[in-house]
Amino acid sequence: GNSVTQMEGPVTLSEEAFLTINCTYTATGYPSLFWYVQYPGEGLQLLLKATKADDKGSNKGFEATYRKETTSFHLEKGSVQVSDSAVYFCALRDTGRRALTFGSGTRLQVQP
Amino acid sequence: EAQVTQNPRYLITVTGKKLTVTCSQNMNHEYMSWYRQDPGLGLRQIYYSMNVEVTDKGDVPEGYKVSRKEKRNFPLILESPSPNQTSLYFCASLPPGTSGRSYTDTQYFGPGTRLTVL
Repeated sequence: GNSVTQMEGPVTLSEEAFLTINCTYTATGYPSLFWYVQYPGEGLQLLLKATKADDKGSNKGFEATYRKETTSFHLEKGSVQVSDSAVYFCALRDTGRRALTFGSGTRLQVQP
Repeated sequence: EAQVTQNPRYLITVTGKKLTVTCSQNMNHEYMSWYRQDPGLGLRQIYYSMNVEVTDKGDVPEGYKVSRKEKRNFPLILESPSPNQTSLYFCASLPPGTSGRSYTDTQYFGPGTRLTVL
């Protein structure tokens, strides 16, 4: 079956530090890959997505590249801000399915 | 404004007392679904609906029911809630695909309902 594995959190960084949150996946087809963000007390918002191998999704300074050879979709940001503090979920949607398979989430805490 | 709404946002109840969490979307989406979020497990799909009167089980359907009588509404029903259903619940809807590739599209999530069953 499909699965998504994320690094354990929480990740605590100082403002302007470089961020990487690792995500690897297993899928039976050719999935689309997503990063969702959940700010405190809110629902999930799509942060970025990539639909095929070597695609790079980007939004709000965050980037992730769809690496089929390593089945990975790591989230990166060059300089985090306190406002980036949230829980980040990696997810996939496999070919022909509409349901998302989520990772367990990684909490990011950015300190001033 | 395009949105998915859920009510209530917070609910504390007791074991065995039937409850309904409502979900409504104003985007005319055909596909809607319910997820629950638990620590360390991410989000898991409970039920989904491809269209009016078409529903099916997700990964964790036990103890839940749904109905889809209208396209915009997709209520989640707990006939006899138990403490292991204490969780954060999200409703989501999905627009139809473009270029025939529906699986590339973005799901829209509601704000969540935090349920505590005592």
